[in-house]
Amino acid sequence: GNSVTQMEGPVTLSEEAFLTINCTYTATGYPSLFWYVQYPGEGLQLLLKATKADDKGSNKGFEATYRKETTSFHLEKGSVQVSDSAVYFCALSPDEKLTFGTGTRLTIIP
Amino acid sequence: NAGVTQTPKFQVLKTGQSMTLQCAQDMNHEYMSWYRQDPGMGLRLIHYSVGAGITDQGEVPNGYNVSRSTTEDFPLRLLSAAPSQTSVYFCASRTSGFQREQFFGPGTRLTVL
Repeated sequence: GNSVTQMEGPVTLSEEAFLTINCTYTATGYPSLFWYVQYPGEGLQLLLKATKADDKGSNKGFEATYRKETTSFHLEKGSVQVSDSAVYFCALSPDEKLTFGTGTRLTIIP
Repeated sequence: NAGVTQTPKFQVLKTGQSMTLQCAQDMNHEYMSWYRQDPGMGLRLIHYSVGAGITDQGEVPNGYNVSRSTTEDFPLRLLSAAPSQTSVYFCASRTSGFQREQFFGPGTRLTVL
């Protein structure tokens, strides 16, 4: 079946540190891959996506590259800010259903 | 556009009670879905709909019913609430095409005593 394995949290970083949140997946076919972010007390919102191998999604300084050979979609940011504190979810969609990872809670300290 | 709206925001039920969580979207999206969010488990799909009159089960459908009589509305019914249904429930919608972005509502926090 389809599944997403996400880096366990919580993750705490200092402001301006480099961020990596690992995500690997198992899926049949060629899924689309997503990163969603959930700020405190809110619903999820799309951060970035990639729909085919070697695509790079980017938004708000975050990037992730669709690596089919390693079945990975790791999230990176070069310099995090306090406002990036949130829960991050990796997800895949090989068909009509979206499958999520368990989420990684990120806290940035000034 | 209001986007995806959910009511109520909070609800407390007693075991065995029934209730309906409301979800509406004003973006004319064909696809709508319900998820539950539990600590350490991410979001799990309960039911989804690819258009008015069409619904299907997700990963955790037991204890929940849905119907889709209009494009805009997708209510989730709890038939006989159980403590295991204590969770945060999110409704989402998108246009057709599984590579499309899903838009999420603000959530309903449900506690079953």
